Amino acid sequence: GAGVSQSPSNKVTEKGKDVELRCDPISGHTALYWYRQRLGQGLEFLIYFQGNSAPDKSGLPSDRFSAERTGESVSTLTIQRTQQEDSAVYLCASSSVGGGVNSPLHFGNGTRLTVT
Amino acid sequence: LAKTTQPISMDSYEGQEVNITCSHNNIATNDYITWYQQFPSQGPRFIIQGYKTKVTNEVASLFIPADRKSSTLSLPRVSLSDTAVYYCLEDTGRRALTFGSGTRLQVQP
Repeated sequence: GAGVSQSPSNKVTEKGKDVELRCDPISGHTALYWYRQRLGQGLEFLIYFQGNSAPDKSGLPSDRFSAERTGESVSTLTIQRTQQEDSAVYLCASSSVGGGVNSPLHFGNGTRLTVT
Repeated sequence: LAKTTQPISMDSYEGQEVNITCSHNNIATNDYITWYQQFPSQGPRFIIQGYKTKVTNEVASLFIPADRKSSTLSLPRVSLSDTAVYYCLEDTGRRALTFGSGTRLQVQP
């Protein structure tokens, strides 16, 4: 079946512009995560959605970052007034529960964001 | 958030067994230990998960001692295609998952 889909796969933007990144999770997955990965580094947690619960926004690095999710479907990550340090791959993952036994995270291939 | 410790990098040769150990000094009682693999330009993918003792699947084995303060991912007879970054996590479900920097495994011919 279809996996996690992210769009666009690549995005180049000018410093100061806003960008919106999209994630289509696997159908039926209640949990959705956003991570950021800078070149050569590990994954940095950004935000976590679980069903109708309030999202865990503890990883968002500044108020320029926000994310929304409509029900248990599509999520968008918005970065306002982009800065060069925002350049990274933004990864989305979903799972049938919040991870745990028999419900691993399924990742998309990410959106590579370059801020010039 | 739970924090794990693992080596930054490892080198091996084709055909060898590779063991990557992760420290879980503050693991919670309900946490499972999970390992992911990441190839360049791809998102991580699940390899294996366990709670205690040994778990084996078609890809790897996972050894967890009784005190659960560490875990060891064992890859039998590695090939060039096993070159990747490997992440260990503590996972209780229904909680944001933290990935560390991972272990970069380089397999040489």
